[in-house]
Amino acid sequence: DGGITQSPKYLFRKEGQNVTLSCEQNLNHDAMYWYRQDPGQGLRLIYYSQIVNDFQKGDIAEGYSVSREKKESFPLTVTSAQKNPTAFYLCASSPWDRVGGDGYTFGSGTRLTVV
Amino acid sequence: QQQVKQSPQSLIVQKGGISIINCAYENTAFDYFPWYQQFPGKGPALLIAIRPDVSEKKEGRFTISFNKSAKQFSLHIMDSQPGDSATYFCAARGEAGNKLTFGGGTRVLVKP
Repeated sequence: DGGITQSPKYLFRKEGQNVTLSCEQNLNHDAMYWYRQDPGQGLRLIYYSQIVNDFQKGDIAEGYSVSREKKESFPLTVTSAQKNPTAFYLCASSPWDRVGGDGYTFGSGTRLTVV
Repeated sequence: QQQVKQSPQSLIVQKGGISIINCAYENTAFDYFPWYQQFPGKGPALLIAIRPDVSEKKEGRFTISFNKSAKQFSLHIMDSQPGDSATYFCAARGEAGNKLTFGGGTRVLVKP
């Protein structure tokens, strides 16, 4: 079955630590996205990538970094510079062309908690 | 900068009632308006979508109404069921590729 997989489901981070969230898709989608979800604030875009080896900052990129070395993979690193990282993180993928609908597929999310 | 404003933040409706969620946008270049449904602990999933050349789209109990001149669109859930209890997000697609801008979300609770 085609889909998008995020891991781990739950992650705990100590103060000053970097952590990496995994996102893998087998939908052959060109574009991948990372969103942060906080209660009452909807989905805020952190980074997105249209193509391998290229990515763009979203609305809240500070304290985060990404890479896109393979089409299937778009890992997100939450660095120690992110002062309030506790949140639910969602990865999504889609075609980049505008034909048809948006074709967004979301993963099941990673809940990150600072301890 | 919130380009898509969604209201209300939360909504309680009795079983069999109508749930109405509203969204307003500013960017006239938006060309596609989907609604997503999210259950707790899960990622959002596409529910229904509309393009601005259509004023209404219906799929089962879910209807989108679109008012291009007012730059507003809304989701109506008819005959609401407890299984519809979820968070709903409106979204809009802008000029660049397939990137969506999401509204703030509405948590809907349907009481039996």
